Formats: sequence, structure tokens, C-alpha cells
Amino acid sequence: KNQVEQSPQSLIILEGKNCTLQCNYTVSPFSNLRWYKQDTGRGPVSLTIMTFSENTKSNGRYTATLDADTKQSSLHITASQLSDSASYICVVSDGQNFVFGPGTRLSVLP
Amino acid sequence: EAQVTQNPRYLITVTGKKLTVTCSQNMNHEYMSWYRQDPGLGLRQIYYSMNVEVTDKGDVPEGYKVSRKEKRNFPLILESPSPNQTSLYFCASSLSQGDYGYTFGSGTRLTVV
Repeated sequence: KNQVEQSPQSLIILEGKNCTLQCNYTVSPFSNLRWYKQDTGRGPVSLTIMTFSENTKSNGRYTATLDADTKQSSLHITASQLSDSASYICVVSDGQNFVFGPGTRLSVLP
Repeated sequence: EAQVTQNPRYLITVTGKKLTVTCSQNMNHEYMSWYRQDPGLGLRQIYYSMNVEVTDKGDVPEGYKVSRKEKRNFPLILESPSPNQTSLYFCASSLSQGDYGYTFGSGTRLTVV
């Protein structure tokens, strides 16, 4: 069964610190992987998209990595800001369907 | 501006009173979908549509209906709402199924009492 798992479930860090969120998937075949940021009560917004041949993709302070062999992805946030407080959702596509992870809830404290 | 527009943003209704949540996109996307999001459960797909007049059930379709008479609109219909349908609902669209990312609407918070 196609599944996407994320860890940790929640994370609290201090402003200015870095953090890394994890995504493991069993989706096959693999088409692409996206990380979304979802502010509380709002719709998710795409941060990065990665295809099979890409190992790293950056979007400002957000850097996503992909290891297609181990079926793992990570989202690294550098120099966190209060506005980074949100849920981060990993979504994997098999070319036909999107499989959503449960999300990681990040809280950045001053 | 490219966007998915949902209405209303907030809705409180009573059990059994039919309601419709509207969704419209201006990107000429073929694929549209409805999700519900509940605490601890993530996003679950209710229904999706690959094109006009083509709709299919997602993971949690019970108690919902949809229609796709025009490419830009994909309303979600609750014929007889029940309290277990209290949730945060998102409409999303994509250029095509699976290959491209979603653009999400801002969400509709529905409370059924």
C-alpha cells in the first residue's frame, strides 16, 4: 500500500535555530515529491517539488533533499523565523495519485 | 491572479439542512479535488474530477456529492449534513492528475450542530 510517513509529529524550536523534517514513503512508481507549508486554518502552499533525478532543491531558507534509493526526503529550515510556525506536509505522486503524509507541526518560539 | 476560490470560509449549519460549498479555479486546470482535514488525520480525499462530467470517489466519499458541469467549478454538496462532517474542507486543482502539484483554496470551516 502506498504510504507517506513523516517525523517528528511535532517540533518546537527557538527562533534562529535550524531544523530538519523527515519524510519516508513507499509510493511506487515514483513521479515526484512535494513539500507544502500549511499555516493554521489555511490551504497548503507548495514549497518545493523534486523528481527522481533531483537530490536537492532550495527555496530561500528551505532546502529539500531526496534519496530515491532509500525513499526518503528531508526538509531543512535554516535560521528559523516566527513565521515558519506551520504544518509541513510531504506529498508523493505516483503519476496518477497524490499520497499525503500526516504532516509535521513546527512551532518557532521567540 | 491564479487561484482557487472557495466559499464560504466559515459555515455553521444544523443537522439535515442541505448545503453547498462552492469551488472555482481560474487556471484552466483539468483536475479538481475535495479534501477534508481533521485533527491528527491529515488531508483525506473526498471526491475528485479528472475533467468535465468525470468524477470519482476518493477515500471518504460517504455523505457527499459533487458535480463538474463546467471546467472551472467543482461544488461540494452535503445533502443531509451530520455532526461527523464537522471539519475543515479544502478544494484543490491541478493541471492534470498526479503529475503536477496542487493549488489549494483557502478552506471552508464547517460546523454541523
